[in-house]
Amino acid sequence: GAVVSQHPSWVICKSGTSVKIECRSLDFQATTMFWYRQFPKQSLMLMATSNEGSKATYEQGVEKDKFLINHASLTLSTLTVTSAHPEDSSFYICSARVGGVKAGNIQYFGAGTRLSVL
Amino acid sequence: QKEVEQDPGPLSVPEGAIVSLNCTYSNSAFQYFMWYRQYSRKGPELLMYTYSSGNKEDGRFTAQVDKSSKYISLFIRDSQPSDSATYLCALTTDSWGKLQFGAGTQVVVTP
Repeated sequence: GAVVSQHPSWVICKSGTSVKIECRSLDFQATTMFWYRQFPKQSLMLMATSNEGSKATYEQGVEKDKFLINHASLTLSTLTVTSAHPEDSSFYICSARVGGVKAGNIQYFGAGTRLSVL
Repeated sequence: QKEVEQDPGPLSVPEGAIVSLNCTYSNSAFQYFMWYRQYSRKGPELLMYTYSSGNKEDGRFTAQVDKSSKYISLFIRDSQPSDSATYLCALTTDSWGKLQFGAGTQVVVTP
């Protein structure tokens, strides 16, 4: 199956610093990648949709300047949490969609990144 | 009313039993139906994918879609302790749309 690698798996940072999370599709090209946030015992909340070579589309209520998304290639998208604060502590998960109508709308997920802001 | 309803559980079953999970939805435009398994502090893993109505079987897993009732199911036969996880249904209307997730059902298989 398609493999999505997400790094780092866990990061601890001080309040006010920025953190970058990488999401790579290892064995397929992903024209579209997604970033989710998940709180304990809750479902996934879509933050933004990232298309290669264009600006990300953010969901309502998600701060664009806080969560910077870059999708520079067909295999790499990055999420940068800028000036992180304790309330940004959460589990962040990326996914990548296999392109083409025949592929349907299957998303493959990374292992997630646990962010702890002190 | 949420677009996708899923009982969060927990659902506790003895090893070897059949696990029965389901989701109901309100939007008749949903065409693609997926089940994901998520272990604690890990990303979701795709288990089953179905387009439109019908049944699909893969090993111990069977997915069913009843579009007339707006009801989807996942059955796990011969459950194992390693099946203990949260199971999420995910639905979408087309090849490009956002996935709508259920709340996820926590399953505990006891030895």
